[in-house]
Amino acid sequence: AQSVTQPDIHITVSEGASLELRCNYSYGATPYLFWYVQSPGQGLQLLLKYFSGDTLVQGIKGFEAEFKRSQSSFNLRKPSVHWSDAAEYFCAASSGSARQLTFGSGTQLTVLP
Amino acid sequence: GAGVSQSPSNKVTEKGKDVELRCDPISGHTALYWYRQRLGQGLEFLIYFQGNSAPDKSGLPSDRFSAERTGESVSTLTIQRTQQEDSAVYLCASSLAGGGETQYFGPGTRLLVL
Repeated sequence: AQSVTQPDIHITVSEGASLELRCNYSYGATPYLFWYVQSPGQGLQLLLKYFSGDTLVQGIKGFEAEFKRSQSSFNLRKPSVHWSDAAEYFCAASSGSARQLTFGSGTQLTVLP
Repeated sequence: GAGVSQSPSNKVTEKGKDVELRCDPISGHTALYWYRQRLGQGLEFLIYFQGNSAPDKSGLPSDRFSAERTGESVSTLTIQRTQQEDSAVYLCASSLAGGGETQYFGPGTRLLVL
């Protein structure tokens, strides 16, 4: 069955530190991959997406993600975290045959001053 | 331009009552999705509409759940005889088309069944 796994339920980093959120997928073929962010009381906002081509994808708010086929991973990174980045982050995937997104369980990010 | 809107933003109901949740997609988006997000969990797919095609209902958890869409506009998700386990945030998303197009999400309806 197709699945998306986010191994880290909760991550805490200090403001200004670097960040990496992990995401692994299990699909028959390379799916389309997405990262969304959800702030308290807000809907989900798309940070970035990967369909094909360059494996390093740039997104909004200074985020980037790297697709690694050999590791079935699509990890999200940011070189310097800001307090406003505190939120829940979801990795998601879809394939051509299944239109809906399959989501990971999310990673809650806390940013310390 | 306007994003995806949902109403009501919050709904409290008693066990056994029926509820209707509404979604207005982005104008021109032919694909519309409903998801459910239980507390502390990721999103679960419920149903998908694409143009005039038959909807993909494969994610609906029981026959108490149903959804309709009028053409390529408004959609209504109906939950009959609500149960406490139906308490969740119900999120709607729309996209230009299906098959990997970026989905844009509404703010959700928070449903609490007492």
